[in-house]
Amino acid sequence: KAGVTQTPRYLIKTRGQQVTLSCSPISGHRSVSWYQQTPGQGLQFLFEYFSETQRNKGNFPGRFSGRQFSNSRSEMNVSTLELGDSALYLCASSLATGAEETQYFGPGTRLLVL
Amino acid sequence: KQEVTQIPAALSVPEGENLVLNCSFTDSAIYNLQWFRQDPGKGLTSLLLIQSSQREQTSGRLNASLDKSSGRSTLYIAASQPGDSATYLCAVKEGPGTYKYIFGTGTRLKVLA
Repeated sequence: KAGVTQTPRYLIKTRGQQVTLSCSPISGHRSVSWYQQTPGQGLQFLFEYFSETQRNKGNFPGRFSGRQFSNSRSEMNVSTLELGDSALYLCASSLATGAEETQYFGPGTRLLVL
Repeated sequence: KQEVTQIPAALSVPEGENLVLNCSFTDSAIYNLQWFRQDPGKGLTSLLLIQSSQREQTSGRLNASLDKSSGRSTLYIAASQPGDSATYLCAVKEGPGTYKYIFGTGTRLKVLA
């Protein structure tokens, strides 16, 4: 069974640009969560989607947005990039049946903003 | 606001030692707690998940315990190996119906051959 895949793996952008990151969950998983990981702040929750609906949102500015498609694939978008947005962006999926709680993480997209 | 702290921040031990990693959380009203492992530049791998009603979980050489009332969890690694070198993160979930986890600061472990 294929794991969680994230594309692209690496990305370099300049300040002011926008970026879209993609996440394909494990087949059959309906919940997708996004996290930002930086050396200073650690892992911080961005948002969570379940059946195309945003179920929860972290404390990030409106420049960060996301969506989930009917096949459970998810994208996150960051507009007007700032230097501080440089981070590893991790996506996680879960079966979300209540009985199965384990989250499975992708390898991440490393974003560098110059 | 839930805060999760892990000590020590870094640990270096010789191969074969048994070791304990600590995780503390400020609000005892958690739904479950997971321990993850992260290898450099990689995503996270779930090691153990403890439901709020459980006291411990075991998988191979790993044993995780949970004491909700004191806001603490420990991850015990027996007979450590160089392959155990990684960053270990604990994370708490505060309720059902969401997969929002609050992560700790991590413990960077190095096991020397």
